[in-house]
Amino acid sequence: DIQMTQSPSSLSASVGDRVTITCRASEIINKFLNWYQQKPGEAPTLLIYAASSLQNGVPSRFSASGSGTDFSLTISSLQPEDFATYYCQQTYNTPPTFGQGTKVEIK
Amino acid sequence: EVQVVESGGGLVKPGGSLRLSCVASGFTFSRYVMNWVRQTPGMGLEWVSSISASGDQTWYAESVKGRFTISRDNAKNSLTLRMNSLRVEDTAVYYCVRETVAYYDVLSGLPYNRFDPWGQGTRVTVSS
Repeated sequence: DIQMTQSPSSLSASVGDRVTITCRASEIINKFLNWYQQKPGEAPTLLIYAASSLQNGVPSRFSASGSGTDFSLTISSLQPEDFATYYCQQTYNTPPTFGQGTKVEIK
Repeated sequence: EVQVVESGGGLVKPGGSLRLSCVASGFTFSRYVMNWVRQTPGMGLEWVSSISASGDQTWYAESVKGRFTISRDNAKNSLTLRMNSLRVEDTAVYYCVRETVAYYDVLSGLPYNRFDPWGQGTRVTVSS
């Protein structure tokens, strides 16, 4: 199985900060990488697909990039509603696997 | 509104069985691959099983192969996960998730799949 490793596992930031989360795959997955946001008590929701494409309805302060094994998710100006846990997922092959999550907390 | 709603979770003893259900609405259910994904505090998000749009192909995580069975009834817009020989480590919130194809990679022809939407989840607790 392809292992997905996110860093950091958690971070503290303030409203308005620029935040970047990274995700590394254990083997090349081209651009078959999605990002999800999960708020406490809720199900994950899709933010980004195909490494850099913004899902409909997701604010433009979210962006992502990467290809091969290294990927990143950036929030340009953190908003109160962005405090959540973020997961990457590879869909290059079966089984699809997820990173362990990055929790973004309020400083 | 596109949505999926799970039900059927509960408390079961090790070795027991449980049947999870998911009902879809707001989209043509029979056109989509469907998945079950579970979440635990320790293991995070773990894909469990998938079923093709027609139901003729199924895939399972190694951890549940031979114990869980996924099925669907396209006439009823429903997805089912039958779980047998349950173990303590199967304790989790189970999500029903639609899989969509955003587009196909030009070079490889592989689909860029995405999991959307997710249901609200149903909690399964395996404990004596």
